[in-house]
Amino acid sequence: AQTVTQSQPEMSVQEAETVTLSCTYDTSESDYYLFWYKQPPSRQMILVIRQEAYKQQNATENRFSVNFQKAAKSFSLKISDSQLGDAAMYFCAYSSDSGGGADGLTFGKGTHLIIQP
Amino acid sequence: EADIYQTPRYLVIGTGKKITLECSQTMGHDKMYWYQQDPGMELHLIHYSYGVNSTEKGDLSSESTVSRIRTEHFPLTLESARPSHTSQYLCASSAGLAGLTDTQYFGPGTRLTVL
Repeated sequence: AQTVTQSQPEMSVQEAETVTLSCTYDTSESDYYLFWYKQPPSRQMILVIRQEAYKQQNATENRFSVNFQKAAKSFSLKISDSQLGDAAMYFCAYSSDSGGGADGLTFGKGTHLIIQP
Repeated sequence: EADIYQTPRYLVIGTGKKITLECSQTMGHDKMYWYQQDPGMELHLIHYSYGVNSTEKGDLSSESTVSRIRTEHFPLTLESARPSHTSQYLCASSAGLAGLTDTQYFGPGTRLTVL
């Protein structure tokens, strides 16, 4: 079974600074997908960024980028120019590309990101 | 935000009651999922569906049941609620393109409290 580990229960960053959230995972599969989701307080879970394991290039979405290290099974999220609206729980998630098998997401325990004004 | 809806958003009920949590999506997605989010925020898959008349159990054992009679609708039922069922329940859907994993879109969640 796959596991996802987020070792930082909470992170704090000053507004406009850069912060990196860590995620490691364990799998024996070669094809899979990795995601970062954001869950603001009492609000909907939304996708921040996604990475296909077969792509060597790191995914980027505006201020959000990942550092995907397949051999090390590491998938960190970098948030540049942090804004107050970035405050939320951030979840790292894994999904296998099993071609018809169960492909629900396996989540890490989350990192609570605090933005200091 | 995605077009996926859950009702009710909050529910407080007594032990032994039967409840149904509603989930609907208007995106025409084939795949739908239910996740349980415990007070520590950890999420676990409890049910999923590949399409109409398809239902499967997820990684976390749950006493709840689901049905998928229509593509857009994926309700979750607890026949007899207990305090241990107190949790947040998140519904999600994805396009499920021909065996390829696709991005899951989440509803706002139902926060259930069983007294």
